[in-house]
Amino acid sequence: DAKTTQPNSMESNEEEPVHLPCNHSTISGTDYIHWYRQLPSQGPEYVIHGLTSNVNNRMASLAIAEDRKSSTLILHRATLRDAAVYYCILVTYGGSQGNLIFGKGTKLSVKP
Amino acid sequence: DTGVSQDPRHKITKRGQNVTFRCDPISEHNRLYWYRQTLGQGPEFLTYFQNEAQLEKSRLLSDRFSAERPKGSFSTLEIQRTEQGDSAMYLCASSLAEGTNEQYFGPGTRLTVT
Repeated sequence: DAKTTQPNSMESNEEEPVHLPCNHSTISGTDYIHWYRQLPSQGPEYVIHGLTSNVNNRMASLAIAEDRKSSTLILHRATLRDAAVYYCILVTYGGSQGNLIFGKGTKLSVKP
Repeated sequence: DTGVSQDPRHKITKRGQNVTFRCDPISEHNRLYWYRQTLGQGPEFLTYFQNEAQLEKSRLLSDRFSAERPKGSFSTLEIQRTEQGDSAMYLCASSLAEGTNEQYFGPGTRLTVT
């Protein structure tokens, strides 16, 4: 699986938008961009994924660069509950290798 | 609750003892994964099953570790002759084999080896 690069940490104020960047310059055509987050003392939680087009769901939005070498997870209004480690992971569609390769992620702190 | 469950949530054991953890995946999911996570690190893959077949094992999975999924439903992870370096959070996840493999994680089992 190709590697991703994320900042180690970011801070946000409550009720403000948060943009979490991820670089994946060696992404291949069959790689989906997945985001997971891990709240303190919990297992990781699936957030969103996309291939080429921007995606929205109830948790977040995913903006994917036209060349697909970077993406941004957008939390529209951060809450204290969004404080977590966010992982950007590339997943090969239809690949026989099923495991996720986690980096260190971005630790998001949300200030009241 | 139809999510992934793990049992026990916490386990304290003495070095040299054997421990076994259980994972119950989401019922319709045919893939099941085990990961290990130490403090400050992201989860590391250990092994995964599709139905009852163990399809991949990480080099992290030493001879002391064994995993089973006998009927393609729940899975167990056993660690024999535990060492202090085995202290970690053991996470289980499940997914469907088809599609883009979104994985759903359980709460984990925290193992402390004294």
